[in-house]
This record gives sequence, C-alpha cells and structure tokens, in this order.
Amino acid sequence: QLQLQESGPGLMKTSETLSLTCTVSGGSITNRFHYWAWIRQPPGKGLEWIGSIYYTGSTYYSLSLKSRVTMSVDTSQNHFSLKLNSVTAADTAVYYCARRGSSSFFFDYWGQGTLVTVSS
Amino acid sequence: QSVLTQPPSVSAAPGQRVTISCSGSRSNVGNQDVSWYQQLPGTAPKLLIYDNNKRPLGIPDRFSGSKSGTSATLGITGLQTGDEGDYYCVTWDGSLSDGVFGGGTKLTVL
Repeated sequence: QLQLQESGPGLMKTSETLSLTCTVSGGSITNRFHYWAWIRQPPGKGLEWIGSIYYTGSTYYSLSLKSRVTMSVDTSQNHFSLKLNSVTAADTAVYYCARRGSSSFFFDYWGQGTLVTVSS
Repeated sequence: QSVLTQPPSVSAAPGQRVTISCSGSRSNVGNQDVSWYQQLPGTAPKLLIYDNNKRPLGIPDRFSGSKSGTSATLGITGLQTGDEGDYYCVTWDGSLSDGVFGGGTKLTVL
C-alpha cells in the first residue's frame, strides 16, 4: 500500500524559507505514470494546489505561487521536496503531499498533512 | 474567490440523497476531467470520484459523479452520519494552466 509522509518544521518566522519533504513508501517515486504534488489548506479554509513534479525533475507550479516555489525530487531517497521562500502569515496552512493520478488531474494518495505556522 | 463554484453547504436526513454541484467554465470543467474529494474533520482529503464518474477501488457505489457542459455533480445516496464533512471538486484549467479547486461544500446529515 502506497504511503506518503510529510516532514519539516512546524513553526517558522516571516521572510524565512519553508522546506518540506515527502517520503514515499510502498512504491517507487520513479513510477512513470504519476506526478507528485503539494497541496495546502489554510486553517478553516479550502484546498490550494501548489505544484507538481515528475521523477525526472520536470515541474509545473500554481500561477499564484510560481515566483516563490521550488520543487525537487531525490529518487535515491524516494522523496520529493518543497521550498517556499519569503513566507508570511498567509502561508500558514496544513501542507499535504499527494500522488497525481495517471489519466488526468486528480490525487489518489495523500499524506496525513503537516501544519506549518508562520509567525513574526 | 475560487475558480470553481460550489454551494457552501448542503444538508439532508440519514438515508436520503444529496447532490453537490461544481460550476466552472469551458476552460476547466467544460474541457477537463473533474475529481471529487471527501474531507472528514481532522483528516486528509480522500479521492471519491475521478475522471468525472469513476470510483477508485474501495469507494462504495453510494457515491457517483456526472458532468454536463461546464457543471459537474457529486451524488451521495443512503446518507450516513459518517458522511458529514467537506467535499471538494478539482480540475485543471487549460487557459490558466493551473490546477483549480472548488471552495468546498459542507455536508450536514441531520
């Protein structure tokens, strides 16, 4: 059974760079049929797609966050990562990693999520 | 303001049927496949429907999806108290080249 697990700091200060890692177990991140994604959810609000990455390193990002986001993949560690720079309180959210489905834009496996709080 | 429009809330009695709509435009719902997610309180979202009307393994046939034009619909029959939570539609927007989510619908089983 495929499992995803997010890891990273839970508390950050304004203007710092958020760094999260998603470790994939029970399957290979080099599966050629799938992309891997980050999605976030501010407290009490809806979901927002951040971006997706293929095992080759090919990426595509949300328009609203593109200028601040970098995603990377480490196939030797079977994990992928997210960096979001110049964070503000508006970036406080639960961050989920997920696997994008093979046929279209959907997410079939999700991590449990990790809360990142940005404080001044 | 979400690109996809969902009703903020819906409610129905146990055993009844409810539908949740997701309205978009030709650049997203009209020309792309839609997926639906259930998020129970305090948990990660769970895929219910993909490619407009397909159910992943393990999702009961009480959940169904359909699409017509620029609107998609999630249907839930035989409502149970355990179905209470938030439901989201998702698709790709070909004009924006961006993934788009609906604002979410809170389902209450009275």
